[in-house]
Amino acid sequence: TQLLEQSPQFLSIQEGENLTVYCNSSSVFSSLQWYRQEPGEGPVLLVTVVTGGEVKKLKRLTFQFGDARKDSSLHITAAQTGDTGLYLCAGPPSGGSNYKLTFGKGTLLTVNP
Amino acid sequence: DAGVIQSPRHEVTEMGQEVTLRCKPISGHDYLFWYRQTMMRGLELLIYFNNNVPIDDSGMPEDRFSAKMPNASFSTLKIQPSEPRDSAVYFCASSWTTNTEAFFGQGTRLTVV
Repeated sequence: TQLLEQSPQFLSIQEGENLTVYCNSSSVFSSLQWYRQEPGEGPVLLVTVVTGGEVKKLKRLTFQFGDARKDSSLHITAAQTGDTGLYLCAGPPSGGSNYKLTFGKGTLLTVNP
Repeated sequence: DAGVIQSPRHEVTEMGQEVTLRCKPISGHDYLFWYRQTMMRGLELLIYFNNNVPIDDSGMPEDRFSAKMPNASFSTLKIQPSEPRDSAVYFCASSWTTNTEAFFGQGTRLTVV
């Protein structure tokens, strides 16, 4: 069972379109991180959201953390070919004695010219 | 700092052979993570260390896998004996805490034939 469920699994769009990808869980997270991974490389952090309801913007990317801290979304406005990559959400679940950084399976985004 | 350094980048080995993957974390980071990435299962946490001590190895698939961190600047992941189903990309990552950014190495692509 995946602790963090990401959807859609695959997304192919044209340059200039908008898109939203989702990260959902039945567990509460103390924080959630979004990473982007390009082929042949390790994931690189885009943003961390900490507070329920928080919205963070990174140029054309908007990240939102759900009020209950169980879900998050990433919205990209006017996608560019450089946005192509695997988008991963990750976080340590709240509570418990171990704080594992657990990842979703990701959304593979392809932006076509 | 050069970032997280993994070696080798690529490893091809025959079934039954011992494989050792190496990782040098970023200096000063207290946490070190070993992940395995496959198309089917995504990025799976195998084991993580805090201050060189293994905290949670519940993600290690079986006894053929072992990991050590003899000091703050070096960790190994060993598979003995290796099997074709172990073929995957193995990532090492380090961070200050589990709530802060995890910095990933470039990964080791392991192929067991």
